[in-house]
Amino acid sequence: QQQVKQSPQSLIVQKGGISIINCAYENTAFDYFPWYQQFPGKGPALLIAIRPDVSEKKEGRFTISFNKSAKQFSLHIMDSQPGDSATYFCAARGISGNTGKLLFGQGTTLQVKP
Amino acid sequence: ETGVTQTPRHLVMGMTNKKSLKCEQHLGHNAMYWYKQSAKKPLELMFVYNFKEQTENNSVPSRFSPECPNSSHLFLHLHTLQPEDSALYLCASSSLRTGDNEQFFGPGTRLTVL
Repeated sequence: QQQVKQSPQSLIVQKGGISIINCAYENTAFDYFPWYQQFPGKGPALLIAIRPDVSEKKEGRFTISFNKSAKQFSLHIMDSQPGDSATYFCAARGISGNTGKLLFGQGTTLQVKP
Repeated sequence: ETGVTQTPRHLVMGMTNKKSLKCEQHLGHNAMYWYKQSAKKPLELMFVYNFKEQTENNSVPSRFSPECPNSSHLFLHLHTLQPEDSALYLCASSSLRTGDNEQFFGPGTRLTVL
């Protein structure tokens, strides 16, 4: 079964520190890797996404690093802020078909301490 | 109303009840999704509708019955549920016509089965 494995399950970081969340996938037939951010009581919202033809994408304090050969990708949050405290999900979309179907990781609960 | 809305936000039901969850998207999208979110588990895709046609049923028990009367509305009819069905049910929509098909999520319905 196709899987996206995410770690760690939870993460505590001091304000101003770097938060790093890792994901690994087992199928090469993915063409799009988004990260979603979810606050309590809300649905997940797209944070940043990358395609496998680039190794890094940066948007503000958020960076995705992508290692195609290792089938791994990670989210880095620079200068982490208490407002970044949320649950983060990585995901991967299969190439076949056009259903937009996403396979999600288990989620990482991030707490940024003031 | 903007984005993806879901009603009700909270639902408590007995195992013999019949209830329905409603989702509406105001984004002009043509694909809609139902997900189940349980604690410490990845988001589980349940159903996908593409232009009102069901294109994915992820081995969901028949006590969950989806309905998509048009590309803006999606329902999940529930009957004879089990306590293990208690979870957050998320609806999402996307446009399969353009770009990366970003999925936009609603806030979810928190379901408790007694």
